[in-house]
Amino acid sequence: GAVVSQHPSRVICKSGTSVKIECRSLDFQATTMFWYRQFPKQSLMLMATSNEGSKATYEQGVEKDKFLINHASLTLSTLTVTSAHPEDSSFYICSARDQKGGGEKLFFGSGTQLSVL
Amino acid sequence: GQNIDQPTEMTATEGAIVQINCTYQTSGFNGLFWYQQHAGEAPTFLSYNVLDGLEEKGRFSSFLSRSKGYSYLLLKELQMKDSASYLCALYNQGGKLIFGQGTELSVKP
Repeated sequence: GAVVSQHPSRVICKSGTSVKIECRSLDFQATTMFWYRQFPKQSLMLMATSNEGSKATYEQGVEKDKFLINHASLTLSTLTVTSAHPEDSSFYICSARDQKGGGEKLFFGSGTQLSVL
Repeated sequence: GQNIDQPTEMTATEGAIVQINCTYQTSGFNGLFWYQQHAGEAPTFLSYNVLDGLEEKGRFSSFLSRSKGYSYLLLKELQMKDSASYLCALYNQGGKLIFGQGTELSVKP
């Protein structure tokens, strides 16, 4: 089945630094990928939609300058948390849709636990 | 916009049956998903309903009524490993998957 690889799985950084998270579709092409954030004991909140070759579209309340998204190829999207602060500590998950596979089902990466000190 | 409601917590006994309900309001409907999520892990796909009725997959079944904006996930022969969060999610016409708050299910011996 389709696999989405997400790295790193866990990162600890100092406040003020930037962190890049990669999301790769391993055996299918994904023109669209999605980035979610999840705080403890809460559900997944959609942050943005990453579109290959064009700008990402952000959900209301998500700062585009803080969460930079790049989707340079059909198999890779990156999320960069710039100038991270402790309140950015969260579980970040990407997902991708297999366009050839009917398009309904999203495949999720394994998630990245970000801890900002 | 969308609004999705599901109970926050449920408790059930090993071997029993549990039904987790989900009600929703949406301006555009393209399907409803159920996912299972263990703490610190990515969601795992359980079911997808786009037409009314019951979809059965082994111990798990999912039901949808579009006119009522209602779905449920039915888990039979509960096992301890079924303790997890169960997420109801709407696939809207914009192609986005929007999640409900999740239902934390605890299965007790």
